[in-house]
Amino acid sequence: DGGITQSPKYLFRKEGQNVTLSCEQNLNHDAMYWYRQDPGQGLRLIYYSQIVNDFQKGDIAEGYSVSREKKESFPLTVTSAQKNPTAFYLCASRSGLRSGELFFGEGSRLTVL
Amino acid sequence: DAKTTQPPSMDCAEGRAANLPCNHSTISGNEYVYWYRQIHSQGPQYIIHGLKNNETNEMASLIITEDRKSSTLILPHATLRDTAVYYCIVSAFSGGSNYKLTFGKGTLLTVNP
Repeated sequence: DGGITQSPKYLFRKEGQNVTLSCEQNLNHDAMYWYRQDPGQGLRLIYYSQIVNDFQKGDIAEGYSVSREKKESFPLTVTSAQKNPTAFYLCASRSGLRSGELFFGEGSRLTVL
Repeated sequence: DAKTTQPPSMDCAEGRAANLPCNHSTISGNEYVYWYRQIHSQGPQYIIHGLKNNETNEMASLIITEDRKSSTLILPHATLRDTAVYYCIVSAFSGGSNYKLTFGKGTLLTVNP
């Protein structure tokens, strides 16, 4: 079945370590997005990419990095510079410039100890 | 993007219609109204969207006022599985490289037996 796969679902890391969250889609979608969600809050946009080898900062990009080397993959690295990395991270994709619907993965919950 | 205002929470009896309101008084002429929902600890799910006319699909109906300053999402026969946070979002569909959706806190709909 087509969809978006995020891994790992749960991740624990020590403070000061970088961690990379995986997001893979087999929907042949052009655009991909990373959102962060904190308890009781809405989603905040971290980074997004409309095409391969191109990406833009969202509203809270500081302390995060991304790459888009392949259409199917949009990994997110949470660096040690991110002050409060513990959160629920959601990846999404959109089929193309004429489509407004986002398809989301099931999320990755990162806990920094 | 235009801002939206939603009540933080609502209750509905199982089997009854759930009517979720959204105010978007600053909406621009080229902005669409989108609705998503998020069941606890899962990724958001697209429900429906519209520009001017009322829309209906297998999940819900969207009623947009004539002045487009508010809308209502209607779940005609709510079930316990409809308990979720519902997000109302307005966004211009520019077709350009900066398309993104901004999620607020939404409305927590609780369907009671």
